[in-house]
Amino acid sequence: GAVVSQHPSWVICKSGTSVKIECRSLDFQATTMFWYRQFPKQSLMLMATSNEGSKATYEQGVEKDKFLINHASLTLSTLTVTSAHPEDSSFYICSARGSGRGTDTQYFGPGTRLTVL
Amino acid sequence: AQSVTQLGSHVSVSEGALVLLRCNYSSSVPPYLFWYVQYPNQGLQLLLKYTTGATLVKGINGFEAEFKKSETSFHLTKPSAHMSDAAEYFCAVRVNKLIFGAGTRLAVHP
Repeated sequence: GAVVSQHPSWVICKSGTSVKIECRSLDFQATTMFWYRQFPKQSLMLMATSNEGSKATYEQGVEKDKFLINHASLTLSTLTVTSAHPEDSSFYICSARGSGRGTDTQYFGPGTRLTVL
Repeated sequence: AQSVTQLGSHVSVSEGALVLLRCNYSSSVPPYLFWYVQYPNQGLQLLLKYTTGATLVKGINGFEAEFKKSETSFHLTKPSAHMSDAAEYFCAVRVNKLIFGAGTRLAVHP
């Protein structure tokens, strides 16, 4: 299947700092990318959807000023958690969908575990 | 609005036994349906999907699922469980965006 990578795979930061997570589609052009958040033993919750070159669309209850999403190219999207706090600790998973791999399937990255101290 | 219900948050089977993970969906229009598997501390891997056409869908690792419109179900099955099948399984429905069920943790014991 298609390959989506995330970097870093895990990160620990101090409260108040900002953290950037990268998501890359390695073998296809991702016209749409998605960011999910997953708490322990729970399902994935969609945070936002981004189309290349456009502003992200955030789900209800997700603070767009706290979770900055950039989708500047067809292979890269970034999620920046600004002024992180312990409650932001979670598993963040990106997903990509796009041309060349069928537009009906989303491919998921391996996830990034964020721990805020 | 679309939604997904997975019956049973935990399922435990013996190695070699039938695996049956249940999924029911709600959608006002014909949806696309998916099953994903997640191993600990990893992302999601697509097992199989139904879009249109044949209602019995075969996926990877010997899994298959049948779309039953009359029952609004998309249950996942595998004839013989392996230890390596132990993981979290998510059913998902997509109309305009992908919505996940709560997940079912499959345990396989010797």
